[in-house]
Amino acid sequence: SAVISQKPSRDICQRGTSLTIQCQVDSQVTMMFWYRQQPGQSLTLIATANQGSEATYESGFVIDKFPISRPNLTFSTLTVSNMSPEDSSIYLCSVEDRRGGETQYFGPGTRLLVL
Amino acid sequence: QQQVKQSPQSLIVQKGGIPIINCAYENTAFDYFPWYQQFPGKGPALLIAIRPDVSEKKEGRFTISFNKSAKQFSLHIMDSQPGDSATYFCAASRGGFQKLVFGTGTRLLVSP
Repeated sequence: SAVISQKPSRDICQRGTSLTIQCQVDSQVTMMFWYRQQPGQSLTLIATANQGSEATYESGFVIDKFPISRPNLTFSTLTVSNMSPEDSSIYLCSVEDRRGGETQYFGPGTRLLVL
Repeated sequence: QQQVKQSPQSLIVQKGGIPIINCAYENTAFDYFPWYQQFPGKGPALLIAIRPDVSEKKEGRFTISFNKSAKQFSLHIMDSQPGDSATYFCAASRGGFQKLVFGTGTRLLVSP
């Protein structure tokens, strides 16, 4: 399966600031996804990031709040802008990996606490 | 129509028992159903996945049972071990590469 790393692994931020989360994959992938997992909750898709096109956002998520970059087939970033305590969550990237069949693999997550 | 309902919310079994976690979906366009295991502080890890053209799939101690007519699928863990204690999520998508819709999760505790 694809090996996925995320940076930072965790951070504590002040409200009103922004944090950029990086996702790096060890192989070229077409589709990357960003999810949010609020404490003790399930995972909710924020957006789909395909290389060479604009990210597609899910209902309730907007580009101004969560801008995404996808400069190449192995890397993506998610920025959480103008943070508030409600943004405290785990942010996860996932990738499709066709080597193992049709499936998605997840990174270890970035644990964000906003004070 | 996009929801995946998962039950129970939590489950405690003794070592060697067979915990069963159930999921139900509404959207008949879903055709890919994975299960993920998540340990505290870690990202979800794919356990096993199934497509609607089969009714059962086994991988090691993990088995998915699928009932297309009832739009339900379940995860069975045979000979459960304390190391299986984790949160389990079912999910569904229209094809493996499309966005996953996750269930609410089941927190499993396997007692020694």
